[in-house]
Amino acid sequence: AQSVSQHNHHVILSEAASLELGCNYSYGGTVNLFWYVQYPGQHLQLLLKYFSGDPLVKGIKGFEAEFIKSKFSFNLRKPSVQWSDTAEYFCAVNARAGANNLFFGTGTRLTVIP
Amino acid sequence: DAGITQSPRYKITETGRQVTLMCHQTWSHSYMFWYRQDLGHGLRLIYYSAAADITDKGEVPDGYVVSRSKTENFPLTLESATRSQTSVYFCASSGSRSSGNQETQYFGPGTRLLVL
Repeated sequence: AQSVSQHNHHVILSEAASLELGCNYSYGGTVNLFWYVQYPGQHLQLLLKYFSGDPLVKGIKGFEAEFIKSKFSFNLRKPSVQWSDTAEYFCAVNARAGANNLFFGTGTRLTVIP
Repeated sequence: DAGITQSPRYKITETGRQVTLMCHQTWSHSYMFWYRQDLGHGLRLIYYSAAADITDKGEVPDGYVVSRSKTENFPLTLESATRSQTSVYFCASSGSRSSGNQETQYFGPGTRLLVL
């Protein structure tokens, strides 16, 4: 079975600080990887995804993530956060060979202080 | 562009009552999913459906029933609601692998359910 770990439960940053949120997964096969964002009171929105190719993927709003296969990691980064980035961030994975089921991490709450 | 909608958005019910949460998508996506979101657990899959009349259990299916008679609808029923089913429920959909629009799931706005 697949599982996803997000080690940071709550991150607090000042505006313009750099962000890195950790995500590790456990699965031996080929996977697709996702980061979703949930702004307060809203539904989940896709931030970025990795299926294959360049392991450094760029998403919306200046976010990027790097897939490191040897470390089973897919960390999310942003060089300079804004107050509007305050949200909950979820890493998710599904197995390429299986059904379309997504396995989610428990989420990381990001609070950006103006 | 309606996308994926859920109703009701908020629901309060009592223990033992039957509750049905509705999900409707306008993209003709093959796959549909129900998740529940709880603090400390992230999102957990309840049930999913690969196509009309095809459903399968996810990680936490107990106490829930689904059906999919039409591609665009995927209702979730709590047959006899319990307090532990108080949660936020999200519906999602995605295309099939053969359609070339696979893998990415698109989420509805959620239903907040409180069971007293």
